[in-house]
Amino acid sequence: EAQVTQNPRYLITVTGKKLTVTCSQNMNHEYMSWYRQDPGLGLRQIYYSMNVEVTDKGDVPEGYKVSRKEKRNFPLILESPSPNQTSLYFCASSLLGSAAVSSYNEQFFGPGTRLTVL
Amino acid sequence: LAKTTQPISMDSYEGQEVNITCSHNNIATNDYITWYQQFPSQGPRFIIQGYKTKVTNEVASLFIPADRKSSTLSLPRVSLSDTAVYYCLWTRGAGNKLTFGGGTRVLVKP
Repeated sequence: EAQVTQNPRYLITVTGKKLTVTCSQNMNHEYMSWYRQDPGLGLRQIYYSMNVEVTDKGDVPEGYKVSRKEKRNFPLILESPSPNQTSLYFCASSLLGSAAVSSYNEQFFGPGTRLTVL
Repeated sequence: LAKTTQPISMDSYEGQEVNITCSHNNIATNDYITWYQQFPSQGPRFIIQGYKTKVTNEVASLFIPADRKSSTLSLPRVSLSDTAVYYCLWTRGAGNKLTFGGGTRVLVKP
């Protein structure tokens, strides 16, 4: 089954304790992205990756790191989590990372990771 | 900054047609208009996308006037399971960057 998986689905941690949220897709997609969703603010993009070893900042990258060593995986790293990073996180992927004016690449979202930082 | 405006919420009843209009005054020539659906505690799901005129798929229809400054998502004969938040977005070129607004919360009542 084609899908985007995230782990863990739920996580409660404390301020300053490094954590990693994994994201994996089995669709051979080039493009992967992380979003966070907060009440009243909608979904905001954190980081994205157009392909292996190619990553770039989204709208709210502060406090996060990412890596793209393999095409299928795009982990989100919080080196020193803080309470303002308590949120619902979504990973997404789409087929192509390169710009193609005449086409749109549907993004497939994972099930989400609910993170609480105390 | 690219921005869409849509109603915050809408109520409907089972079997009715729901129309959600979104305005996107600053849309550019290469931008596509895209709609996503999100159920509580789930990731958004692509519904439909269009550039101009009308697009229809098995789930919805999308109407885009000639000036492309607005679009209307039409959900025919909604059921309780259509209760969700619907996001209007525009996507440039390959559409990889998605900028979500607040969405429209649709509640379908029995």
